[in-house]
Amino acid sequence: DAGITQSPRHKVTETGTPVTLRCHQTENHRYMYWYRQDPGHGLRLIHYSYGVKDTDKGEVSDGYSVSRSKTEDFLLTLESATSSQTSVYFCAISESAVNTIYFGEGSWLTVV
Amino acid sequence: ELKVEQNPLFLSMQEGKNYTIYCNYSTTSDRLYWYRQDPGKSLESLFVLLSNGAVKQEGRLMASLDTKARLSTLHITAAVHDLSATYFCAAGTQGGSEKLVFGKGTKLTVNP
Repeated sequence: DAGITQSPRHKVTETGTPVTLRCHQTENHRYMYWYRQDPGHGLRLIHYSYGVKDTDKGEVSDGYSVSRSKTEDFLLTLESATSSQTSVYFCAISESAVNTIYFGEGSWLTVV
Repeated sequence: ELKVEQNPLFLSMQEGKNYTIYCNYSTTSDRLYWYRQDPGKSLESLFVLLSNGAVKQEGRLMASLDTKARLSTLHITAAVHDLSATYFCAAGTQGGSEKLVFGKGTKLTVNP
């Protein structure tokens, strides 16, 4: 299994509060991604990173920000959580743009 | 804009039968991935297809890619209950983009 750790794994938070999800990898892979998974939508890319301090937006980036200050850590922040951001969030990593993408175990976020 | 469509979205089959899941994508793509997901779990990489005519097999699963038709298939041979899961395909946009677009998934149930 790829060395990917997501934290927290489960969280319940209130509307309007900021939330940060952390992804930590031990593979030294260059690329890191944040996806969200919702019923009927499959997986949708939120943001991705192609190196330290190099990030770009994905399909559903509104309301989210990311940071990558070290190769091994990729943080996803919900600036002001809304109920529409209740979802399962997956971190993923890959060595390059064409290599296999490995997924973490997921973080279940509920915004009430 | 790259769009990926899978069909069927739900598939119920009997053990021992064969079936195919189809993955169509709308614009030129240079790579196609297949993943498996069990309920409440992460995504497990099954296949990465990088060229026209690529065929890969693992056990009872075989994936193929036809870039001219913009079609990938996942063929299941002599299904067994353990193959019950949701299967996702994902296509990458051409030009070195790191962004993958996922289909909505096919939920496969194999009945004894």
